[in-house]
Amino acid sequence: KQEVTQIPAALSVPEGENLVLNCSFTDSAIYNLQWFRQDPGKGLTSLLLIQSSQREQTSGRLNASLDKSSGRSTLYIAASQPGDSATYLCAVLMDSNYQLIWGAGTKLIIKP
Amino acid sequence: GAVVSQHPSWVICKSGTSVKIECRSLDFQATTMFWYRQFPKQSLMLMATSNEGSKATYEQGVEKDKFLINHASLTLSTLTVTSAHPEDSSFYICSARDDTGDTEAFFGQGTRLTVV
Repeated sequence: KQEVTQIPAALSVPEGENLVLNCSFTDSAIYNLQWFRQDPGKGLTSLLLIQSSQREQTSGRLNASLDKSSGRSTLYIAASQPGDSATYLCAVLMDSNYQLIWGAGTKLIIKP
Repeated sequence: GAVVSQHPSWVICKSGTSVKIECRSLDFQATTMFWYRQFPKQSLMLMATSNEGSKATYEQGVEKDKFLINHASLTLSTLTVTSAHPEDSSFYICSARDDTGDTEAFFGQGTRLTVV
């Protein structure tokens, strides 16, 4: 059974710092991995999608990497801003049944 | 990217009444849609997988008679919370997968349901 773990559960850093969020999964038979952002009380915004054959994806200040064999993905945020404060979720799409398995998220607070 | 519209964004209802939540894919067709539920400070939990033209597949522990799902067209799935109770208060989110896409999931804005 696939399990997705995100560490840390919460993170608070000063504005301007570069930071890394971690996501690990136990079953490497994934189709893809996505990183999402959720603002309080709101829906999800898809940030980056990495196919199982890819190693990284970049969008603006965000860079996501995927090491399928070791079951790990990282989300790198450069030059963090207060507007980056949100909960970041990773989810893997299983190859077998196309269902998303979610991590519990990392709550990120960027202090001005 | 593709757009999934979820309506309403929030609703307050009385205990014992039913509430319908709509999930529409605006610019793509989605044979498969998913309904999730999120309790405060917890991750999303898949409730059911909705398949156009057939019965939904419910996750273990989800009451299918309480959470009625209808996926009558390739662009619309509805979730009806029947005889709602305060413990049903939660954040409900739908997602849809583009039939022609690369399996990226597109999400609705979510519906915050409060049962009083």
